[in-house]
Amino acid sequence: EVQLVQSGAEVKKSGESLKISCKGSGYSFISHWIGWVRQMPGQGLEWMGIIYPGDSETRYSPSFQGQVTISVDKSISTAYLQWSSLKASDTAMYYCARVVVGASTAGYYYFMDVWGIGTTVTVSS
Amino acid sequence: NFMLTQPHSVSESPGKTVTISCTRRSGSIDSNFVQWYQRRPGISPTTVIYENNQRPSGVPDRFSGSIDSSSNSAFLTISGLKTEDEADYYCQSSDGTNYVVFGGGTKVTVL
Repeated sequence: EVQLVQSGAEVKKSGESLKISCKGSGYSFISHWIGWVRQMPGQGLEWMGIIYPGDSETRYSPSFQGQVTISVDKSISTAYLQWSSLKASDTAMYYCARVVVGASTAGYYYFMDVWGIGTTVTVSS
Repeated sequence: NFMLTQPHSVSESPGKTVTISCTRRSGSIDSNFVQWYQRRPGISPTTVIYENNQRPSGVPDRFSGSIDSSSNSAFLTISGLKTEDEADYYCQSSDGTNYVVFGGGTKVTVL
């Protein structure tokens, strides 16, 4: 069974750093993109970025470029989402997902086919 | 760049059909594939439609997706509505680069 297992809920203070994880199993981890999606309280889904574990190529949403770091350790089939200095506005649920990246006449397209259960991050000021 | 606009909520009785719209503001809806995700309370999202109208294995054929160029919209139709279909539904597309957009989500209530 294809699974993405995310790390547990985090409660942090503004200014602290944080790294959450997403471990894949049941498939070839290095051959599929992994993405991160944010859902702030009461809000919709937001695309943050993706990484290809095979070569660590990373693509960020312009909204999140420079705000977070996406990385991977393919030796343990785990992707990460990292903040160097958290803000209260980072309070949200963060989902990882396996991402299919395709090519069409219009360029790339992306969709998520398997999702993790989500990691709640709460940042107090 | 572009936005995807969905109605905030729709409601219908069990056994009926509900259709959710996803209108692209700026650019053509058929310029890139549209996906639909279901998020039930307390459960992580699942994909119900990809590439405009394809169903992943395990998704019942009560779920269908379509595109209408004249209204520049994508549609998710759920027929034979069941209580378990009560959830938030999100459309998603991209502009062919790294810009990926989700719609604001539609809450489906089964009366």
